[in-house]
Amino acid sequence: KQEVTQIPAALSVPEGENLVLNCSFTDSAIYNLQWFRQDPGKGLTSLLLIQSSQREQTSGRLNASLDKSSGRSTLYIAASQPGDSATYLCAVDYTGTASKLTFGTGTRLQVTL
Amino acid sequence: DAGVTQSPTHLIKTRGQHVTLRCSPISGHKSVSWYQQVLGQGPQFIFQYYEKEERGRGNFPDRFSARQFPNYSSELNVNALLLGDSALYLCASSLYGSSEKLFFGSGTQLSVL
Repeated sequence: KQEVTQIPAALSVPEGENLVLNCSFTDSAIYNLQWFRQDPGKGLTSLLLIQSSQREQTSGRLNASLDKSSGRSTLYIAASQPGDSATYLCAVDYTGTASKLTFGTGTRLQVTL
Repeated sequence: DAGVTQSPTHLIKTRGQHVTLRCSPISGHKSVSWYQQVLGQGPQFIFQYYEKEERGRGNFPDRFSARQFPNYSSELNVNALLLGDSALYLCASSLYGSSEKLFFGSGTQLSVL
């Protein structure tokens, strides 16, 4: 069964701290992995997309890595800000159709002043 | 350019009723997908449509149906509503339905009483 797990479920850090969110998946035959941000009661915003042939992607203060052999991805957030508070979801595309994504349950991040 | 738009934003129904949710993809996007997100969980895939054809279906009962129109907008229909259908319903679009970024709308919050 293709499953995606995110640890921790919740995280609270003081402003300015660097942090790492973890995502693991059971089947390494993936097309890509995406990291999303979700604010309470809202839709998802795509942050980074890593194709299966890539090892990492960067956008501003965000860096995502992918290790297919170990079934892991990490999202690194540098110099966290209160505006980063949200739930972060990783999703794996096993079909190559940009759909039928398999999502983790998310990590709820709180950045405090 | 407008993002993915969904209507209505909120909806309250009673058990046994029928509901229709609507989605307009980003202009030029030909693939539309539907997801159900129960509180505290990651989104679960329901349907994908590409060029008006159903490309994929998740593990949902036949009470759930969808279609895509010539302008690429889409409808999700749910018959004989159950309390367990209460969730945030998300629509997502992509250009070609291949291994690419997925763009989500803000969702329709459905409450079944």
